[in-house]
Amino acid sequence: EIVLTQSPGTLSLSPGERATLSCRASQSVSSSYLAWYQQKPGQAPRLLIYGASNRATGIPDRFSGSGSGTDFTLTISRLEPEDFAVYYCQQYGNSPFTFGQGAKLEIK
Amino acid sequence: QVQLVESGGGVVQPGRSLRLSCAASGFTFSTYTMHWVRQAPGKGLEWVAALSYDGSNKHYADSVMGRFTISRDNSKNTLYLQMNSLRAEDTAVYYCARGVAARSGNFQHWGQGTLVTVSS
Repeated sequence: EIVLTQSPGTLSLSPGERATLSCRASQSVSSSYLAWYQQKPGQAPRLLIYGASNRATGIPDRFSGSGSGTDFTLTISRLEPEDFAVYYCQQYGNSPFTFGQGAKLEIK
Repeated sequence: QVQLVESGGGVVQPGRSLRLSCAASGFTFSTYTMHWVRQAPGKGLEWVAALSYDGSNKHYADSVMGRFTISRDNSKNTLYLQMNSLRAEDTAVYYCARGVAARSGNFQHWGQGTLVTVSS
């Protein structure tokens, strides 16, 4: 099983700042099958990025994904108030598919 | 538009069974791999099971292997999760989900979730 470790666990930033979230895999993720999700309280997760760097439909271009192998990054270039939420990475290159433990982006 | 609607959750005693359903619409259900994902209260996301478009390939998380069974009825556009020998640690919101592409293991479309509580 591929274990995904997200860092930092909590990130405190202000609107307008840049956010960088990391996801490290215990082994290489096949074909960059790595996704990022945003989840707000009481809501289902929303897919932001798939294939490590492809934005999902309707996702603003301030969200970008990068990385390969075992190290992946989600960057939010300029934080909007609605971006404060919990973010998860997920690998789907090998079964069982696994998620990171989540990273909370909070308002400073 | 794609719509996924789960049902069947509730309160159940440890060791008992429950079957969840997910009614799909807005896309050609019979061509997509489908998934169940769960989230325990206040916890992170856990992928539970996946089923290929024709029901021939099934994958499970180790935590549910041998207790849960994923199935589908393409004539009814419905996905199922049969949960047996339930444990307290199975308490969670259960989501059905579909990926970007037909065989995707990512989750672009989610239902609203159905809560399963395992308690005596």
